[in-house]
Amino acid sequence: SQKIEQNSEALNIQEGKTATLTCNYTNYSPAYLQWYRQDPGRGPVFLLLIRENEKEKRKERLKVTFDTTLKQSLFHITASQPADSATYLCALDEGSGNTGKLIFGQGTTLQVKP
Amino acid sequence: NAGVMQNPRHLVRRRGQEARLRCSPMKGHSHVYWYRQLPEEGLKFMVYLQKENIIDESGMPKERFSAEFPKEGPSILRIQQVVRGDSAAYFCASSPFEVAAKNIQYFGAGTRLSVL
Repeated sequence: SQKIEQNSEALNIQEGKTATLTCNYTNYSPAYLQWYRQDPGRGPVFLLLIRENEKEKRKERLKVTFDTTLKQSLFHITASQPADSATYLCALDEGSGNTGKLIFGQGTTLQVKP
Repeated sequence: NAGVMQNPRHLVRRRGQEARLRCSPMKGHSHVYWYRQLPEEGLKFMVYLQKENIIDESGMPKERFSAEFPKEGPSILRIQQVVRGDSAAYFCASSPFEVAAKNIQYFGAGTRLSVL
């Protein structure tokens, strides 16, 4: 079955630097992959979705890449700010792409220091 | 526009009692999903419902757990005879009807269940 691996260690960076988070999956390449942000005590908030035929997607200071050969997605936050501190979750659909059943990674906690 | 509303936010139950968690999806959304998040673990899919139908309940324990999404009213996740291991945060998400859009799920703030 499909598994997602995210670095469980917290990522600490200085304000203004670029944060890069990694998401690896183990099995078949999904039709799309998503990134969510979760703050303590809150539900996940959707950030970006990238499809298998897209190499890169951008939204303001966020950038996501998708490499189906490496079975990996990278999530970048440029010019990071303390307000970006949160846990970032990678998710993909368990089935062929439209089952609605999302599998989530454990998340990587990002801490941006002023 | 109200987002996904879950209540209660916190629920305390003693072992053997029943827990009822409610979820009202975003306006216009007809798909509802329930996830469970145990401490130090990721979100785990439990069940996917549309109005009056259970589409996929493969992530839900066979015993004590049930879910519904009636024609009128919120979706309900029901846990009977709760045990300490049921203590977790339960999140509800919803998505629109349109196939192309339903990949993106909008989450509520969750219900934190504590079983004493």
